[in-house]
Amino acid sequence: QKEVEQNSGPLSVPEGAIASLNCTYSDRGSQSFFWYRQYSGKSPELIMSIYSNGDKEDGRFTAQLNKASQYVSLLIRDSQPSDSATYLCAVKVQAGTALIFGKGTTLSVSS
Amino acid sequence: GAVVSQHPSRVICKSGTSVKIECRSLDFQATTMFWYRQFPKQSLMLMATSNEGSKATYEQGVEKDKFLINHASLTLSTLTVTSAHPEDSSFYICSAGHLAPPYNEQFFGPGTRLTVL
Repeated sequence: QKEVEQNSGPLSVPEGAIASLNCTYSDRGSQSFFWYRQYSGKSPELIMSIYSNGDKEDGRFTAQLNKASQYVSLLIRDSQPSDSATYLCAVKVQAGTALIFGKGTTLSVSS
Repeated sequence: GAVVSQHPSRVICKSGTSVKIECRSLDFQATTMFWYRQFPKQSLMLMATSNEGSKATYEQGVEKDKFLINHASLTLSTLTVTSAHPEDSSFYICSAGHLAPPYNEQFFGPGTRLTVL
């Protein structure tokens, strides 16, 4: 059974701090990795995708992938209250197949 | 960016009736669309994978005769909840896969909130 594990949180950080979100996956053959943000009552919004080992930066977001450890993380620098949401880690084993989602980590940024 | 629309955004119906939800990819062609369901405070649950011109593939435990999926074109997939019951009340979200690189990204529609009375 392919699984994606996340700490459900809540993760609480003060405004301006770095938020670190972590995710592990079970299928070593997984090819693509994604982070989605979901606000309450809304659908998920893609914020980062990463396909190879290492870091990928986009604005205040950095995704990190370590395939040997089957580990994906998301760093949010200079966290803002508007970043408060549930962050979903998703993994795709191969193109054309559905994403496998973790249960999400709830992030709360206090001002 | 890739845009996926859903209609309606919210629907309330009586028990026993059928409800159709449309999912459209507005600015790209999607050979594959996915339908998810999400209950309050839970993660997304994949219901089925819809491929243009062929039958949908349903996940284990999802009744194909109750949740009818039609993917008639590269930009439109529909989900019909037949004989809806209160336990079908949920947030239904579709997503579409992009043909062009990066091939693996999925973009979500805004979701349809179904309430069955």
